Order: sequence, then C-alpha cells, then structure tokens
Amino acid sequence: GAVVSQHPSWVICKSGTSVKIECRSLDFQATTMFWYRQFPKQSLMLMATSNEGSKATYEQGVEKDKFLINHASLTLSTLTVTSAHPEDSSFYICSLGGRRRDNEQFFGPGTRLTVL
Amino acid sequence: LAKTTQPISMDSYEGQEVNITCSHNNIATNDYITWYQQFPSQGPRFIIQGYKTKVTNEVASLFIPADRKSSTLSLPRVSLSDTAVYYCLVGGGVSSGSARQLTFGSGTQLTVLP
Repeated sequence: GAVVSQHPSWVICKSGTSVKIECRSLDFQATTMFWYRQFPKQSLMLMATSNEGSKATYEQGVEKDKFLINHASLTLSTLTVTSAHPEDSSFYICSLGGRRRDNEQFFGPGTRLTVL
Repeated sequence: LAKTTQPISMDSYEGQEVNITCSHNNIATNDYITWYQQFPSQGPRFIIQGYKTKVTNEVASLFIPADRKSSTLSLPRVSLSDTAVYYCLVGGGVSSGSARQLTFGSGTQLTVLP
C-alpha cells in the first residue's frame, strides 16, 4: 500500500498561535487527500477533502477559515490550524485514496496537537 | 454511506478466535464492506474488504451472509498485539478512479488478555 507521512507527529502550542501539519504521500500521487480529526475515545471525523490544485471541500460544521488546507502538489497537503484554542487539541490524521478500491484509504500516522 | 452498528467493546484471551459482527441493514447493491484496524495514536489500517460470501487474507476472514445486512470479521488466534479498535465501513468498492470519503462508525474496542 501507499506510504503516508505526517509532520510533526506531535506539537504543543500556546493558545492563539497557528500550527501547520504536513501530509506527504511518499510513493503515490494523490489528487485527493482527506483530513480527519479524532478526539480521545471517539471515532474519526472527516473534516475536509483536499483536492490538488483546487479549493478543499469542508464538512458541515468545520470552519474553513480556521482550518486552512493547501494541496499544492500531488504528494503534499497541509492543514493549518489558525489561532488555535484548547478545544482544538486533538489527533489529526490525513489519508489518501487507494488505487484498487474506493474504500481502501491509506492513513498517515497522525499528529497529536495540544493547545495550552 | 450506509450506517453500521458494532459492539462497543469485546474482550478475548490470547490464542482464541475472535468474531466481531457489524450490522448494516441499509447496505446498497453496489456497496462493499471494509474493515479497518486502529491502534492508539496511529492512523487506521486497512484489514479486509468483501462483497459477499467469504473473503480471507493473511490476517483475517470476512463472512458475509446472503442478505448482506451484516458481516463478521474473524481474527484467528489473537495475540496481545491485536488489541485495537476495529471499524466496519460500508460503501463503494471497485475503484472509480477517484477516492471517496469514508464515514467511520463508533468501532469495536477489542482487548486481548493474557
């Protein structure tokens, strides 16, 4: 399967700062990447769909001005949490679609964000 | 995507076979059934996918009855390292050339005890 990396793996920041999370596809050109958020003891929630060369599509309830997504190339998508607050503390995971099956997505290792 | 229902948690002992059942009463004709595994602080990992009857790979088997309204993930001889959350998803299978969104349900926390 595809290899997906995320950077950083964890980050701690002060309230009000912005944090950028990178998602890289190491061996697969992905026109579409997905960003999920997972709170402790909860399931993954899709935040947005990142499309290469175009604007991301956000799920209902996700503020696009707060969670900026840039998919500038076929191997890189970034999620920037702007003016982070403690309630934004979560586990952020990206994924890209498989080539064989629509339901086979390859997930990154995730980024743990803690906002103080 | 069709809604799925799974047990919240299951306990098992090392060496036992574990069967996790998922209900998906509203599955559509062209929907496939896919299972993912997630360890703490890691992204989910694809385990197995099937459409009907039985599918087996190197890590698991997937049993799907004729009416396809449920499915059972079978893990043979589990070990402590199989402790994880297992998610059942239902949706499009054969690649259409573009990735589709996945909707994760609550999942089943499997705890393997020594």
